[in-house]
Amino acid sequence: GAGVSQSPSNKVTEKGKDVELRCDPISGHTALYWYRQRLGQGLEFLIYFQGNSAPDKSGLPSDRFSAERTGESVSTLTIQRTQQEDSAVYLCASSLSGVHSYEQYFGPGTRLTVT
Amino acid sequence: GNSVTQMEGPVTLSEEAFLTINCTYTATGYPSLFWYVQYPGEGLQLLLKATKADDKGSNKGFEATYRKETTSFHLEKGSVQVSDSAVYFCALRGDTGGFKTIFGAGTRLFVKA
Repeated sequence: GAGVSQSPSNKVTEKGKDVELRCDPISGHTALYWYRQRLGQGLEFLIYFQGNSAPDKSGLPSDRFSAERTGESVSTLTIQRTQQEDSAVYLCASSLSGVHSYEQYFGPGTRLTVT
Repeated sequence: GNSVTQMEGPVTLSEEAFLTINCTYTATGYPSLFWYVQYPGEGLQLLLKATKADDKGSNKGFEATYRKETTSFHLEKGSVQVSDSAVYFCALRGDTGGFKTIFGAGTRLFVKA
């Protein structure tokens, strides 16, 4: 079946502009995660959605970052007034539920470059 | 809070050498433990997992055993191949506190022919 998809695959934007990144999780997966991966570094947790519960926003680095999810489907990550340090690959993952034993399935990522 | 520490890379091995990538964790309760792999130019994918103490996860010749007494989940392979060259991430997902997954910094493996 279809995996996690993300769009766009690449985004180049000028400093100060807003960007919106999209994630389509695997159908039926109630848990959805956003991560940031800077060049040569590990994954940095940003935000986690589980069903209709309040999202865990503890990883968002500043108030310029926000994310929404409509029900158990599409999610968008918005970065306002982008800065050069926002340049990274933004990864989305989904899992069957919030149960801790379930693995996550990752999308291919969106490579964001802020010039 | 929960945390994961894995050995720094890069690790460079010759083909057919034995591989160990160390991973230790700090967590309350009984987390699940994972190894993810990121091949060049590809997305992250699950390599193996273990969900309770003394479980052994295995896949593609790789193994890792969930050791609660040493809070470790070391990745091993008896004979590496060039195609194993990738970045390996150890990860933990807690059974409390919202089930957030914590990833290690990643260990890059180069295997030479």
